[in-house]
Amino acid sequence: DAGVIQSPRHEVTEMGQEVTLRCKPISGHDYLFWYRQTMMRGLELLIYFNNNVPIDDSGMPEDRFSAKMPNASFSTLKIQPSEPRDSAVYFCASIAGGKGNSPLHFGNGTRLTVT
Amino acid sequence: AQSVTQLDSQVPVFEEAPVELRCNYSSSVSVYLFWYVQYPNQGLQLLLKYLSGSTLVKGINGFEAEFNKSQTSFHLRKPSVHISDTAEYFCAVSERDTGNQFYFGTGTSLTVIP
Repeated sequence: DAGVIQSPRHEVTEMGQEVTLRCKPISGHDYLFWYRQTMMRGLELLIYFNNNVPIDDSGMPEDRFSAKMPNASFSTLKIQPSEPRDSAVYFCASIAGGKGNSPLHFGNGTRLTVT
Repeated sequence: AQSVTQLDSQVPVFEEAPVELRCNYSSSVSVYLFWYVQYPNQGLQLLLKYLSGSTLVKGINGFEAEFNKSQTSFHLRKPSVHISDTAEYFCAVSERDTGNQFYFGTGTSLTVIP
C-alpha cells in the first residue's frame, strides 16, 4: 500500500500565479478530503469528494480555489490567482466508507509559499 | 457540529516522565474518537481510535487513551515518554452514521526534554 501521494512536496510561487496541487488517494478509497493547515487556523477542511463527486465545498475560502476529481485515483486543488495569505500546508486524505469509523489516511502534504 | 478542545497548546515534559494530553468534545451524541500524531514535515498518522467496547484503547508507540462519556473526554497518555515522541498531537471526532465529517482539535505540541 503506497499510501496517499501528494505532489509537489514544496511549491514556491509569486502572487498572482496559478498553483495546482495534486493527490492520488489510496486505491479503493471512495472518499477524498482536502485540508489546509496554518499556525493561525490549525487544520481546516476545504472540500471532500465521494466517488469523485464533490459533496461539501463549504470550506473553500473563495472563488480563487477550485478542486476536481476526474477519476478515482486523482484529484487536484487549484488556486488562481494565488495570494500570500494562501501560504500553508495543504493535505489530502482518503478513507474507505462513510460511516465515520474509518480513520483518515493523510498524504505528506504540499507546503505552499506565495511571495 | 462538534467542537473539539485541546486545552494545552504546548506541553514540555522530561524524558521518561509520564504525559497526558487532554481532549474534550462538545456533543453527547454517539461518536468515534481518534488521536493522530504529526512529525515535522509529515502528514498526520493514526495513533489510536475508539469505536466501541472497552473505554481504554491502546495505540502505537506505547500510547493509550481513555474514553469518558460523562465527561465527553478522550485524554491521551503515555507512562514514559521518549525523545522521539516530540511531535504535534491532534484529537479528532466523527459522529456515528453521519460519517464524513471529522472535527479536529487545534493540536498539542509535545516537546520531550532530554
